[in-house]
Amino acid sequence: GENVEQHPSTLSVQEGDSAVIKCTYSDSASNYFPWYKQELGKRPQLIIDIRSNVGEKKDQRIAVTLNKTAKHFSLHITETQPEDSAVYFCAASIVGGSQGNLIFGKGTKLSVKP
Amino acid sequence: ETGVTQTPRHLVMGMTNKKSLKCEQHLGHNAMYWYKQSAKKPLELMFVYNFKEQTENNSVPSRFSPECPNSSHLFLHLHTLQPEDSALYLCASSQDSAGGTGELFFGEGSRLTVL
Repeated sequence: GENVEQHPSTLSVQEGDSAVIKCTYSDSASNYFPWYKQELGKRPQLIIDIRSNVGEKKDQRIAVTLNKTAKHFSLHITETQPEDSAVYFCAASIVGGSQGNLIFGKGTKLSVKP
Repeated sequence: ETGVTQTPRHLVMGMTNKKSLKCEQHLGHNAMYWYKQSAKKPLELMFVYNFKEQTENNSVPSRFSPECPNSSHLFLHLHTLQPEDSALYLCASSQDSAGGTGELFFGEGSRLTVL
């Protein structure tokens, strides 16, 4: 089955700097890769996702890149702000497969220092 | 109430108790999920229901028993739990569970402590 590895487990940056979180997946059939943000004491929420037919997707200060050959994808946050502090989870699944449920990484705790 | 609501938010129980977690979604979705979130571990999928039918049981011990009476409600019945079962239990819903195409909407979670 699918296995998702996520690094780093913790990340501390200065406000205004960029942050990058990386994930690798094992099943080459995976074709959907969402990222969820979980603020302290709150529920995980989808912030961006990418499908395997594109290599990059941007939404304001957030971008996700996908390298299908290497089987890894990354979340990039530019101009970080204190409110970006949270735990970020990557995930992978196979759209259209019989076992399409999301497999999550362990999470990255991002701290943005003012 | 909108979105996905879970009750209770906090629960402390002994190993011999029987309790239930409740989840309700007001989004008109057809799929509902139970996830377990422990410290330093990935979100672990426990059960999936699609159109009230259980489509996945991820090798969960029988001391956890799900129930889905309709597409809007999901329960997790707990009995004779172990201390290692202490965790945050998250309920989620999506439009359907087919191939993971839909965004997951999570509840706030039920923090369970087993003494």
